[in-house]
Amino acid sequence: KAGVTQTPRYLIKTRGQQVTLSCSPISGHRSVSWYQQTPGQGLQFLFEYFSETQRNKGNFPGRFSGRQFSNSRSEMNVSTLELGDSALYLCASSLPLGRGNPGELFFGEGSRLTVL
Amino acid sequence: ILNVEQSPQSLHVQEGDSTNFTCSFPSSNFYALHWYRWETAKSPEALFVMTLNGDEKKKGRISATLNTKEGYSYLYIKGSQPEDSATYLCAFHTGFQKLVFGTGTRLLVSP
Repeated sequence: KAGVTQTPRYLIKTRGQQVTLSCSPISGHRSVSWYQQTPGQGLQFLFEYFSETQRNKGNFPGRFSGRQFSNSRSEMNVSTLELGDSALYLCASSLPLGRGNPGELFFGEGSRLTVL
Repeated sequence: ILNVEQSPQSLHVQEGDSTNFTCSFPSSNFYALHWYRWETAKSPEALFVMTLNGDEKKKGRISATLNTKEGYSYLYIKGSQPEDSATYLCAFHTGFQKLVFGTGTRLLVSP
């Protein structure tokens, strides 16, 4: 069973540019969550999508956005990049809560963004 | 704002030592408590997901306990091995599709 796939794995951008990151969840997983990790910080929740709908959003500015497609693949976009956006962005997929599932997340390896 | 705290922040032990970490979380609106293990250059992987007060889970040399009334969980590693070196994350789940992570405990086990 293929795991969660994130692309690209590494990228370098300059301030003011925008970036799009992609995430393909495990087959059958319809929930996709995005997290940001910066040095010294825990995983900060960005947003969560289920069946193409954003169900939850973290405390990030509007420059951070996302979407989910009908095949459950998800993208996140960051516009007008700032130096502080340099981070590892992790995507995770999961099965719906309930049905004996307490919400375990299955993570991709992340996309490491460097903003110069 | 939900706050999940982990201690210690980092730990350096010798091979064969036993160690334990603490995760503190809000005692209200509890749905589940997750432990993840994150090795360098890999993706985080779930170790345990606990939902009931008093839960105890075990996987090999690693075990975890849960106290939802007082809001803490312990992760124990018995006889640490170098391959146990990783960051251990706990995460609190309120049931609203959002996990709140602690900042993790970084464990280094020296041969």
